Amino acid sequence: GESVGLHLPTLSVQEGDNSIINCAYSNSASDYFIWYKQESGKGPQFIIDIRSNMDKRQGQRVTVLLNKTVKHLSLQIAATQPGDSAVYFCAENMSGGGNKLTFGTGTQLKVEL
Amino acid sequence: ETGVTQSPTHLIKTRGQQVTLRCSSQSGHNTVSWYQQALGQGPQFIFQYYREEENGRGNFPPRFSGLQFPNYSSELNVNALELDDSALYLCASSANQASSGNTIYFGEGSWLTVV
Repeated sequence: GESVGLHLPTLSVQEGDNSIINCAYSNSASDYFIWYKQESGKGPQFIIDIRSNMDKRQGQRVTVLLNKTVKHLSLQIAATQPGDSAVYFCAENMSGGGNKLTFGTGTQLKVEL
Repeated sequence: ETGVTQSPTHLIKTRGQQVTLRCSSQSGHNTVSWYQQALGQGPQFIFQYYREEENGRGNFPPRFSGLQFPNYSSELNVNALELDDSALYLCASSANQASSGNTIYFGEGSWLTVV
């Protein structure tokens, strides 16, 4: 089949700056959202999740914001470090959808020294 | 480390052959799902197993099949391999289903190359 999405959106930030990665999700019935980090050659690593009854959730150096009105999700990384360089995916899960996650395109985060 | 282990990590198969990929879920996790990730794309849901039964399937043909065993480990089988099946195959597990508030963890994947 035809391949799409080979050229990922890229975000370049300076070490120590804050990063904001955005994601538009597709299904208004989705009620659970997850951000994953994927380093080259590895599987997706869980970062943080949020349920649709919340609009903000904080973890260690990361914050996820959810705007259900416009179906938008963002991941904020504070004091970005070289080890944060990776591809970041948002994923959505529908109520009653089991563990079927629908992933976004992904954003390549590059941290410059 | 997520506790989700997959094997083999890399393999090369010829078009038309069959392949079996294996996954051991994290201890206590009874729900396993499989994803296909082509280069440069996000993972695509193949199917999910819950208590040894297929419980949800994505847009993949019947030549993609699976099993879940009583210890919750799982296999993904792909018959009549095609070149486009070349991808990273990911296994994910959770304790019951995500809608119940359970986090989904991924393994490191099995890289399949079809030549």
